[in-house]
Amino acid sequence: DAEITQSPRHKITETGRQVTLACHQTWNHNNMFWYRQDLGHGLRLIHYSYGVQDTNKGEVSDGYSVSRSNTEDLPLTLESAASSQTSVYFCASSPGTGPTPYEQYFGPGTRLTVT
Amino acid sequence: AQSVTQLDSQVPVFEEAPVELRCNYSSSVSVYLFWYVQYPNQGLQLLLKYLSGSTLVKGINGFEAEFNKSQTSFHLRKPSVHISDTAEYFCAVREVSGNTPLVFGKGTRLSVIA
Repeated sequence: DAEITQSPRHKITETGRQVTLACHQTWNHNNMFWYRQDLGHGLRLIHYSYGVQDTNKGEVSDGYSVSRSNTEDLPLTLESAASSQTSVYFCASSPGTGPTPYEQYFGPGTRLTVT
Repeated sequence: AQSVTQLDSQVPVFEEAPVELRCNYSSSVSVYLFWYVQYPNQGLQLLLKYLSGSTLVKGINGFEAEFNKSQTSFHLRKPSVHISDTAEYFCAVREVSGNTPLVFGKGTRLSVIA
């Protein structure tokens, strides 16, 4: 079955380190998204991509970067981790075309702790 | 730009009682509307969506929502809740035209009490 996976599921890192969170989908979806979820803030969009080589900044993009070299993957990199980036991170994808182009499918999340 | 307001951050309700989770949106153009559910320690999954047509939309697990354009609302309802409905519920909006991502509300935590 097609799916969207995230790895690692849990990560503890130190302030200042570079961290990369992986997101992989097997639906062949054009669109991919990264969100962070924090208490009281709901889901906030970090970066998104509408296709290979396309990336766009979301609401809270400072300190994060993404690259899209193929359809299946959108890794999220924290260039220099900060305690304020402790959060649960969700990846999502949507077809972009077809009968349900905007319906987003979410991964299980990555819990990141920056100490 | 569109925005979503979920009026209640927490809603406690007794088992088998009805529930309504409120969602209001702001947009100057036509929109698509969605409700997602997040069970503990899981990702979000789609509950229901309004794209066009009938303003009463039925989703999974007995939930339904009604699109009210004049009141810019998309409230979620269930006539009788179960313990298993305990979860966080998110309303989301997207403009019909253009290529913008979904905008999510801050969520409503539904707690069903036995």
